[in-house]
Amino acid sequence: NAGVMQNPRHLVRRRGQEARLRCSPMKGHSHVYWYRQLPEEGLKFMVYLQKENIIDESGMPKERFSAEFPKEGPSILRIQQVVRGDSAAYFCASSLQGQNTGELFFGEGSRLTVL
Amino acid sequence: AQTVTQSQPEMSVQEADNVTLSCTYDTSESDYYLFWYKQPPSRQMILVIRQEAYKQQNATENRFSVNFQKAAKSFSLKISDSQLGDAAMYFCAYSKFSNTGNQFYFGTGTSLTVIP
Repeated sequence: NAGVMQNPRHLVRRRGQEARLRCSPMKGHSHVYWYRQLPEEGLKFMVYLQKENIIDESGMPKERFSAEFPKEGPSILRIQQVVRGDSAAYFCASSLQGQNTGELFFGEGSRLTVL
Repeated sequence: AQTVTQSQPEMSVQEADNVTLSCTYDTSESDYYLFWYKQPPSRQMILVIRQEAYKQQNATENRFSVNFQKAAKSFSLKISDSQLGDAAMYFCAYSKFSNTGNQFYFGTGTSLTVIP
């Protein structure tokens, strides 16, 4: 059973370009979370999605950032017109729908570098 | 809003010694979950230990144990007989289950160094 898969592992973009980060949850998991980790900081919650539905996007900047989790395919975190401050590691995690043991399973992260 | 606080950005321990990492949280809920996650240098986060708030007994997993003080909203992690492989970032997390799923809140982490 494959774990949470994130790609790309490393992404380099110039200011103003778009970054797309993909996350395939564990098989059978329908809840996906995106977190951002900046150097010497903890995990900052960004968005929580279920299939075709955004549950909580309170941690996501209102502009330039968007996320989706379609019925088919991976979850996508999209950052438009990237700026240097967007450079960070972005982690995806998934959990089983209805599970109340609460465990999150994490991917290895995608490191975005904005030049 | 739920918040999780880890007041120790860095800790170090001698190999084979014990070490305790601190965590406090803020919530008005009575039923929730608390976790310690470990992020080794390879960066994939893994679950170390989990505690359900309704359980009074402290959770243990081999060399890892917690001291859960619900009234004080404290959830510390004790690592016994520290090993070199324990060196990592440790994150405390809070989760509240609801009909729409779980929401998770993480602390800022404690970087643990194990000295040979």
